Amino acid sequence: QVQLVQSGAEVKKPGASVKVSCKASGYTFTSYGISWVRQAPGQGLEWMGWISAYNGNTNYAQKLQGRVTMTTDTSTSTAYMELRSLRSDDTAVYYCARDLIAALDYWGQGTLVTVSS
Amino acid sequence: EIVLTQSPATLSLSPGERATLSCRASQSVSSYLAWYQQKPGQAPRLLIYDASNRATGIPARFSGSGSGTDFTLTISSLEPEDFAVYYCQQRSNWPPRVTFGQGTKLEIK
Repeated sequence: QVQLVQSGAEVKKPGASVKVSCKASGYTFTSYGISWVRQAPGQGLEWMGWISAYNGNTNYAQKLQGRVTMTTDTSTSTAYMELRSLRSDDTAVYYCARDLIAALDYWGQGTLVTVSS
Repeated sequence: EIVLTQSPATLSLSPGERATLSCRASQSVSSYLAWYQQKPGQAPRLLIYDASNRATGIPARFSGSGSGTDFTLTISSLEPEDFAVYYCQQRSNWPPRVTFGQGTKLEIK
């Protein structure tokens, strides 16, 4: 069965960086892209960007350009999302999801990133 | 950039009633319109893709319709487990870009 398992919760100080991992299993990793979505406490869903697991092409949300980097390691079927220069409003649950183009059909369990001094 | 506007923000209904949730796009979107259900503390779950296709394992009481700029998610007869927040989402093919609506909270009346 398809599974996306994310790394554990993180607490970071303002200005620091965080790197969240998303390990995929149950399907051919390079056949689909991965989208990253975050959700601030009590808020809606915000798309952060997409990466092709086939060739590493990326497209990031404009508001995060310059602060976010998405990568994949095809040898371990793992996707990564790194966010730099963290601010308090980056506090959120971060999700990875398999991107079918038509929809995001499988989601990771979420990783809580707390930014606090 | 396409903006998705969901209405109503909150919908109060009783089990057994019919729920109709709306999603309006600021400009015509492709058929890549999806609906998700999210319960507290859980990741979103895909319900509908391509505007009207149920995802695997989704009960038949959930249906999607619409095209162009106006889309609807209908739950024919609410079950207790259906009370949650629902999001619509559209995706552009290239460059890949995803937009979510702000959500509709379906609460028990």
